[in-house]
Amino acid sequence: AQSVTQPDIHITVSEGASLELRCNYSYGATPYLFWYVQSPGQGLQLLLKYFSGDTLVQGIKGFEAEFKRSQSSFNLRKPSVHWSDAAEYFCAVALYNNNDMRFGAGTRLTVKP
Amino acid sequence: NAGVTQTPKFQVLKTGQSMTLQCAQDMNHEYMSWYRQDPGMGLRLIHYSVGAGITDQGEVPNGYNVSRSTTEDFPLRLLSAAPSQTSVYFCARRTVLPEQYFGPGTRLTVT
Repeated sequence: AQSVTQPDIHITVSEGASLELRCNYSYGATPYLFWYVQSPGQGLQLLLKYFSGDTLVQGIKGFEAEFKRSQSSFNLRKPSVHWSDAAEYFCAVALYNNNDMRFGAGTRLTVKP
Repeated sequence: NAGVTQTPKFQVLKTGQSMTLQCAQDMNHEYMSWYRQDPGMGLRLIHYSVGAGITDQGEVPNGYNVSRSTTEDFPLRLLSAAPSQTSVYFCARRTVLPEQYFGPGTRLTVT
Protein backbone atom coordinates (compact mmCIF):
# COMPACT_ATOMS: atom_id res chain seq x y z
CA ALA A 1 0.00 0.00 0.00
CA GLN A 2 1.11 3.56 -0.67
CA SER A 3 2.28 5.29 2.47
CA VAL A 4 4.36 8.12 3.83
CA THR A 5 6.15 7.74 7.14
CA GLN A 6 7.56 10.44 9.34
CA PRO A 7 9.18 8.49 12.17
CA ASP A 8 9.55 11.43 14.56
CA ILE A 9 6.36 12.79 16.06
CA HIS A 10 8.12 15.55 17.99
CA ILE A 11 11.64 16.96 17.82
CA THR A 12 13.22 19.58 20.04
CA VAL A 13 16.35 21.44 18.96
CA SER A 14 18.21 24.43 20.32
CA GLU A 15 18.21 27.64 18.37
CA GLY A 16 21.21 27.71 16.07
CA ALA A 17 21.53 23.94 15.96
CA SER A 18 21.14 21.90 12.80
CA LEU A 19 17.94 20.07 11.97
CA GLU A 20 17.03 16.97 10.05
CA LEU A 21 13.46 15.71 9.70
CA ARG A 22 13.00 12.26 8.27
CA CYS A 23 10.54 11.09 5.65
CA ASN A 24 10.21 7.69 4.01
CA TYR A 25 7.70 6.66 1.39
CA SER A 26 6.37 3.47 -0.06
CA TYR A 27 5.11 3.82 -3.61
CA GLY A 28 5.08 1.68 -6.70
CA ALA A 29 6.87 4.35 -8.71
CA THR A 30 9.03 7.28 -7.74
CA PRO A 31 6.54 9.96 -6.79
CA TYR A 32 6.83 13.68 -6.66
CA LEU A 33 7.96 14.71 -3.18
CA PHE A 34 7.10 17.71 -1.04
CA TRP A 35 7.65 19.28 2.33
CA TYR A 36 5.05 21.60 3.83
CA VAL A 37 5.17 23.67 7.01
CA GLN A 38 2.20 24.57 9.19
CA SER A 39 2.35 27.21 11.90
CA PRO A 40 -0.27 26.96 14.65
CA GLY A 41 -3.73 27.84 13.40
CA GLN A 42 -2.49 28.35 9.86
CA GLY A 43 -2.71 26.56 6.55
CA LEU A 44 0.08 24.59 4.94
CA GLN A 45 2.87 26.40 3.15
CA LEU A 46 4.99 24.66 0.54
CA LEU A 47 8.65 24.62 1.60
CA LEU A 48 10.13 22.72 -1.33
CA LYS A 49 9.48 20.04 -3.89
CA TYR A 50 11.29 17.39 -5.89
CA PHE A 51 10.17 16.36 -9.34
CA SER A 52 13.36 15.14 -11.03
CA GLY A 53 16.99 16.04 -11.61
CA ASP A 54 19.35 17.14 -8.87
CA THR A 55 18.51 15.14 -5.78
CA LEU A 56 19.35 18.00 -3.43
CA VAL A 57 16.65 20.66 -3.62
CA GLN A 58 16.59 24.08 -2.06
CA GLY A 59 13.47 25.63 -0.62
CA ILE A 60 12.30 28.72 1.14
CA LYS A 61 13.42 29.86 4.60
CA GLY A 62 16.83 28.21 4.23
CA PHE A 63 15.55 24.63 4.08
CA GLU A 64 16.84 21.92 1.80
CA ALA A 65 15.93 18.30 1.21
CA GLU A 66 17.70 15.34 -0.30
CA PHE A 67 16.02 12.59 -2.29
CA LYS A 68 17.61 9.17 -1.92
CA ARG A 69 16.00 6.66 -4.23
CA SER A 70 17.78 3.67 -2.72
CA GLN A 71 16.36 4.50 0.70
CA SER A 72 12.98 5.82 -0.48
CA SER A 73 13.67 8.87 1.64
CA PHE A 74 13.29 12.62 1.33
CA ASN A 75 14.76 14.15 4.48
CA LEU A 76 14.45 17.84 5.26
CA ARG A 77 17.44 19.74 6.64
CA LYS A 78 18.37 23.16 7.88
CA PRO A 79 21.90 24.05 9.03
CA SER A 80 20.86 26.55 11.72
CA VAL A 81 17.38 26.65 13.19
CA HIS A 82 15.67 29.90 14.16
CA TRP A 83 12.98 30.25 16.83
CA SER A 84 10.50 31.13 14.07
CA ASP A 85 10.95 27.64 12.57
CA ALA A 86 8.90 26.14 15.38
CA ALA A 87 5.95 24.57 13.58
CA GLU A 88 4.66 21.28 12.28
CA TYR A 89 6.26 19.83 9.18
CA PHE A 90 4.59 17.48 6.75
CA CYS A 91 6.14 15.32 4.09
CA ALA A 92 3.88 14.56 1.15
CA VAL A 93 4.02 12.54 -2.06
CA ALA A 94 1.97 12.55 -5.24
CA LEU A 95 1.98 11.06 -8.69
CA TYR A 96 1.91 13.24 -11.79
CA ASN A 97 -1.59 14.41 -12.68
CA ASN A 98 -2.95 12.50 -9.69
CA ASN A 99 -5.15 14.31 -7.26
CA ASP A 100 -4.43 12.16 -4.26
CA MET A 101 -1.51 13.73 -2.46
CA ARG A 102 -0.58 11.54 0.49
CA PHE A 103 0.75 13.06 3.69
CA GLY A 104 2.82 11.82 6.55
CA ALA A 105 1.48 12.27 10.07
CA GLY A 106 3.72 15.27 10.65
CA THR A 107 6.66 16.18 12.88
CA ARG A 108 6.24 18.91 15.43
CA LEU A 109 9.38 21.00 15.88
CA THR A 110 10.07 22.83 19.12
CA VAL A 111 12.98 25.29 19.23
CA LYS A 112 14.65 25.95 22.58
CA PRO A 113 16.18 29.37 23.22
CA ASN B 1 -3.64 32.42 1.44
CA ALA B 2 -2.10 31.00 -1.74
CA GLY B 3 -5.03 32.31 -3.78
CA VAL B 4 -7.53 30.17 -1.86
CA THR B 5 -10.12 31.57 0.54
CA GLN B 6 -12.22 29.55 2.93
CA THR B 7 -15.23 30.50 5.03
CA PRO B 8 -16.04 30.27 7.83
CA LYS B 9 -12.81 30.04 9.87
CA PHE B 10 -14.60 28.39 12.78
CA GLN B 11 -17.90 26.57 13.07
CA VAL B 12 -19.71 24.62 15.78
CA LEU B 13 -22.52 22.28 14.78
CA LYS B 14 -24.82 19.97 16.62
CA THR B 15 -25.05 16.35 15.59
CA GLY B 16 -27.42 15.98 12.66
CA GLN B 17 -27.13 19.53 11.39
CA SER B 18 -25.99 20.26 7.88
CA MET B 19 -23.74 22.99 6.59
CA THR B 20 -21.60 24.07 3.67
CA LEU B 21 -17.94 24.99 3.87
CA GLN B 22 -17.08 27.52 1.21
CA CYS B 23 -13.92 27.55 -0.88
CA ALA B 24 -12.95 29.92 -3.65
CA GLN B 25 -9.80 30.37 -5.71
CA ASP B 26 -8.71 33.29 -7.83
CA MET B 27 -6.04 31.57 -9.92
CA ASN B 28 -8.34 30.02 -12.52
CA HIS B 29 -6.92 26.57 -11.81
CA GLU B 30 -8.84 23.54 -12.91
CA TYR B 31 -7.93 21.27 -10.03
CA MET B 32 -9.32 21.72 -6.52
CA SER B 33 -9.46 19.41 -3.52
CA TRP B 34 -10.80 19.13 -0.01
CA TYR B 35 -8.73 17.58 2.78
CA ARG B 36 -9.38 17.01 6.43
CA GLN B 37 -6.64 17.16 9.05
CA ASP B 38 -6.82 15.12 12.20
CA PRO B 39 -4.16 14.85 14.92
CA GLY B 40 -1.55 12.24 14.16
CA MET B 41 -2.98 11.47 10.73
CA GLY B 42 -1.75 14.21 8.47
CA LEU B 43 -4.17 15.31 5.77
CA ARG B 44 -6.57 13.00 3.98
CA LEU B 45 -8.34 13.67 0.71
CA ILE B 46 -12.14 13.90 0.89
CA HIS B 47 -13.18 14.92 -2.64
CA TYR B 48 -11.57 16.57 -5.59
CA SER B 49 -12.49 18.21 -8.88
CA VAL B 50 -10.62 18.36 -12.18
CA GLY B 51 -12.81 21.09 -13.63
CA ALA B 52 -16.25 22.61 -13.62
CA GLY B 53 -18.88 19.90 -13.49
CA ILE B 54 -16.41 17.11 -12.68
CA THR B 55 -15.87 15.76 -9.17
CA ASP B 56 -14.67 12.52 -7.68
CA GLN B 57 -14.14 10.85 -4.34
CA GLY B 58 -10.94 10.71 -2.39
CA GLU B 59 -9.84 8.59 0.51
CA VAL B 60 -12.54 9.59 3.05
CA PRO B 61 -15.67 10.77 1.18
CA ASN B 62 -18.44 9.37 3.36
CA GLY B 63 -20.72 12.02 4.85
CA TYR B 64 -19.61 14.74 2.44
CA ASN B 65 -20.85 16.07 -0.89
CA VAL B 66 -19.23 18.46 -3.33
CA SER B 67 -20.17 20.27 -6.50
CA ARG B 68 -18.24 22.41 -8.96
CA SER B 69 -20.50 24.68 -10.95
CA THR B 70 -17.76 27.25 -11.65
CA THR B 71 -13.97 27.13 -11.84
CA GLU B 72 -13.70 29.50 -8.89
CA ASP B 73 -15.88 27.78 -6.28
CA PHE B 74 -15.75 24.32 -4.72
CA PRO B 75 -18.09 24.03 -1.70
CA LEU B 76 -18.07 21.06 0.67
CA ARG B 77 -21.37 19.99 2.18
CA LEU B 78 -21.84 18.04 5.37
CA LEU B 79 -25.16 16.28 5.02
CA SER B 80 -25.77 15.28 8.64
CA ALA B 81 -22.91 16.25 10.93
CA ALA B 82 -21.42 13.65 13.25
CA PRO B 83 -18.83 14.06 16.03
CA SER B 84 -16.38 12.06 13.87
CA GLN B 85 -16.40 14.97 11.44
CA THR B 86 -14.82 17.27 14.00
CA SER B 87 -11.67 18.27 12.18
CA VAL B 88 -9.85 21.03 10.37
CA TYR B 89 -10.81 21.23 6.71
CA PHE B 90 -8.51 22.54 4.02
CA CYS B 91 -9.32 23.42 0.47
CA ALA B 92 -6.52 23.36 -2.09
CA ARG B 93 -5.87 24.25 -5.69
CA ARG B 94 -3.27 23.07 -8.16
CA THR B 95 -2.25 23.24 -11.79
CA VAL B 96 -1.47 20.14 -13.83
CA LEU B 97 1.57 19.78 -11.60
CA PRO B 98 0.87 17.87 -8.40
CA GLU B 99 1.84 20.53 -5.84
CA GLN B 100 -1.14 21.70 -3.85
CA TYR B 101 -1.67 25.24 -2.54
CA PHE B 102 -3.82 25.35 0.56
CA GLY B 103 -6.30 27.77 2.00
CA PRO B 104 -6.23 28.84 5.66
CA GLY B 105 -8.65 26.14 6.81
CA THR B 106 -11.98 25.83 8.60
CA ARG B 107 -12.02 24.43 12.12
CA LEU B 108 -15.23 22.47 12.64
CA THR B 109 -16.51 21.11 15.93
CA VAL B 110 -19.53 18.80 16.03
CA THR B 111 -21.11 18.33 19.44
